[in-house]
Amino acid sequence: NAGVTQTPKFQVLKTGQSMTLQCAQDMNHNSMYWYRQDPGMGLRLIYYSASEGTTDKGEVPNGYNVSRLNKREFSLRLESAAPSQTSVYFCASSEPYNSPLHFGNGTRLTVT
Amino acid sequence: KQEVTQIPAALSVPEGENLVLNCSFTDSAIYNLQWFRQDPGKGLTSLLLIQSSQREQTSGRLNASLDKSSGRSTLYIAASQPGDSATYLCAVSGGGSQGNLIFGKGTKLSVKP
Repeated sequence: NAGVTQTPKFQVLKTGQSMTLQCAQDMNHNSMYWYRQDPGMGLRLIYYSASEGTTDKGEVPNGYNVSRLNKREFSLRLESAAPSQTSVYFCASSEPYNSPLHFGNGTRLTVT
Repeated sequence: KQEVTQIPAALSVPEGENLVLNCSFTDSAIYNLQWFRQDPGKGLTSLLLIQSSQREQTSGRLNASLDKSSGRSTLYIAASQPGDSATYLCAVSGGGSQGNLIFGKGTKLSVKP
């Protein structure tokens, strides 16, 4: 089982460029999440989708948009990248209630 | 606002030692608490989830306890091994989506052979 798959693994962008981070899960989970991890800040929730067709803002949504394409896929888009968005981005999935989160291996994004 | 603190930030122990990692949170109104392990350059792996109505969970050499009233959780690792070396993260879910986790900054554990 692949679990949660994120692409790409690494990306370098120039300020102002756009890109989409892809995430897919094969565990038939209803809920999916995007987190960012920064040194000294820990992991913070960007957006989540409790079920197919719904999305909600997390703690740090500014500068990002998301799409829950279907039950398997949840993408994160940076419309105009800024150096402050340099981070490691993690996608995760779970069942809605009292279930552990399953994380992908992350996308390391650098914005210059 | 919920805050999660993990002490110590780093810990180095000899192989075979039993150890305790600590996690504290400021708001006791949590839905559940999860412990994760993160290896360098990798994602997080769920170790244990304790529901708010539970006091502890066990998996192999790991035991996690939860005391909501005092806002504390501990992760006990028995007979530590070099393969246990990793960063251990604690996270609490405060409701809404249970994936809306508030994470501590982690404890980096090094187990020396």
